[in-house]
Amino acid sequence: DAGVIQSPRHEVTEMGQEVTLRCKPISGHDYLFWYRQTMMRGLELLIYFNNNVPIDDSGMPEDRFSAKMPNASFSTLKIQPSEPRDSAVYFCASSLLAGGAGTDTQYFGPGTRLTVL
Amino acid sequence: GNSVTQMEGPVTLSEEAFLTINCTYTATGYPSLFWYVQYPGEGLQLLLKATKADDKGSNKGFEATYRKETTSFHLEKGSVQVSDSAVYFCALSDYQGAQKLVFGQGTRLTINP
Repeated sequence: DAGVIQSPRHEVTEMGQEVTLRCKPISGHDYLFWYRQTMMRGLELLIYFNNNVPIDDSGMPEDRFSAKMPNASFSTLKIQPSEPRDSAVYFCASSLLAGGAGTDTQYFGPGTRLTVL
Repeated sequence: GNSVTQMEGPVTLSEEAFLTINCTYTATGYPSLFWYVQYPGEGLQLLLKATKADDKGSNKGFEATYRKETTSFHLEKGSVQVSDSAVYFCALSDYQGAQKLVFGQGTRLTINP
C-alpha cells in the first residue's frame, strides 16, 4: 500500500488567502484524523472522521477551519482566511478499528508544511 | 481529562549508550499506550504499543512496559545508534474505542557517534 498521501507537501501563502490541504487515507481504513504540529503547542488533534462522518471537531481552532470527507478515499482541510499563526505542519492519519475492541495503530502521512506570510 | 507527560528534552547521548525516556499518564479507564517516532521531515510512525497492564511492547530494540501501578510507560533501549536520532512521542488512547490519541509533548533524541 502507498500509505497515507498528503498534498501539497509545502505551501506558502499570504495572509488572507484560502488554503486547502488534501489527504488520501490508506484504502480500507475507516478512521481519518487531522493533526496540527507546532513548536509551541506540540501535536494537536483537530478533527476526526469515522466512515466519512465527522465524529469530533472539538480541536478545530475556529470557524476559519473546516474539514470535509466526501468519500472514503479523500479528505480536505480548508483554512479561510489564513493567518500567520496558522503556520504549522498539518498531518493526516488513518486507522482501522479492528474487531471493535479498542483502538488500533494510526498511520500518518508525511505532512504538509504551511507557511502563512 | 486524559493526559501524557514525557521527560523534557532534548536528550543527547553517545552511540551505544543506554536510553530511557520517561512517560507517565493520567487516564480514566484502561487506555492503550503507544510510542511513536518522528524522523526528520517525516510523519509519525508507530514504534511499539501495549494494550493492557503488564504488557511489554517491543520493536527495533526498544521496549516499554505498561505499568498500571505507577501509570507509566517508559521507553528503553540498551544500546542506541546514530540512526535512532528522532523525536519520540508517548501517547494514550481511550480503550473504549474513541480512537482519539492524546500525545505527550515529544522528546528530541540526538545520538552522537
